[in-house]
This record gives sequence, structure tokens and C-alpha cells, in this order.
Amino acid sequence: QKEVEQNSGPLSVPEGAIASLNCTYSDRGSQSFFWYRQYSGKSPELIMSIYSNGDKEDGRFTAQLNKASQYVSLLIRDSQPSDSATYLCAGISGGSYIPTFGRGTSLIVHP
Amino acid sequence: DGGITQSPKYLFRKEGQNVTLSCEQNLNHDAMYWYRQDPGQGLRLIYYSQIVNDFQKGDIAEGYSVSREKKESFPLTVTSAQKNPTAFYLCASSKRGGSYEQYFGPGTRLTVT
Repeated sequence: QKEVEQNSGPLSVPEGAIASLNCTYSDRGSQSFFWYRQYSGKSPELIMSIYSNGDKEDGRFTAQLNKASQYVSLLIRDSQPSDSATYLCAGISGGSYIPTFGRGTSLIVHP
Repeated sequence: DGGITQSPKYLFRKEGQNVTLSCEQNLNHDAMYWYRQDPGQGLRLIYYSQIVNDFQKGDIAEGYSVSREKKESFPLTVTSAQKNPTAFYLCASSKRGGSYEQYFGPGTRLTVT
């Protein structure tokens, strides 16, 4: 059973701080990873994809992948109240095209 | 503007009625998916299709049916056999090959009473 685990939170951070969201996965064959942001009542929005070990930066967002330790993380710098949402982590195994989603981590950025 | 559309946004039905949810995409994606999301739950895969006229059951296909007659369209029918149909239904699509990044439509919130 392929699993993607996330702490449900909520993770509460002050405005301007770095929010760190983590995700672990069970399938060592997983090769592609995605972070989605989902506002309450809305659909998930893809914000980052990462495929190789290391860091990938896009604006205030940095995705980190460590395949040896089987974890993926998302850092949000200079967090804003508008970043308050649930963040979903997903992974796809090599040879598959169906992602396994985590249950999401709720992030609250307070002014 | 390329994207995925789902209609309607909200749908109310009486128990025992079948209902069809629409999903259309103009991203030229080959693969399409249906998920269900319940409060506090993750996304659960209902059906998926990689090419026209072919589709596979996901983890929770019982009580649902789909068709894929056109590349752009992947409608989902929630039948009266589905025990707990009230949920948020999400349609997604992806390219076939490469990273398989999924892009989601706005969703349909179905309430059955």
C-alpha cells in the first residue's frame, strides 16, 4: 500500500515567518512529487513539482526532496495571511501515472 | 484560456435519483480523473481514463459510472447505488507521459437528501 503521510496540523505561524510543511512517503519507487494548495471550499491548485533530490525554488516557495530519507517538504518564506490554506502533498511512482495524495496540512498565518 | 470546467457548482438531489456531473477540458490532455473529497479526508480516486473510449476503476468506483466518448469530456454519473453520495467531486486532467502533473477543475458540491 503506497502511502503519503502529512501532519494534519494546523500549523500556525506569524506573518512574515517561514512556514515548513513536511510529507513522508512509503514507496521508494516514487519519482515525482507535487504540492497543491487548497483554500477552504475550493479545488486544489498545483504550486510546485519536484523530481530530483535537492531544492527547487519558485518565488517564496521552496520544495525540497530527499529520496534517501523519503521525505518532501515545502517552505514558504515571508508567509502571508493569504497563504492560509490546506497544503496537499502527492507522489507518483515510476511506471504509474496515478498520484497518491496525502490528507493535507492546514496552515494558518496570523497577522 | 485553457482550463477545466465542471458544472454545476452546486447540485441537490433526492435519494434514489441518478445524477451526472460534467467535466470538460480544453488543455488537450489525454488523461482525466474523478476524485471525491469528504470533510477532513484526502482525495479518493473514483475513475480515471488515459485515452478515449477507455477508463479504469479507482479505489472507490462502486455506485459510480463514467464515459469517455470525447477527449475533452469525462462525465461522472452518481447512481442510486452509491450509499453516501454527498461530497465534493473534483475532476482533474494531465498530459499522458512526462510528469503527469494533474490540474483540477473547480469542483461540484453534491448534496443528496
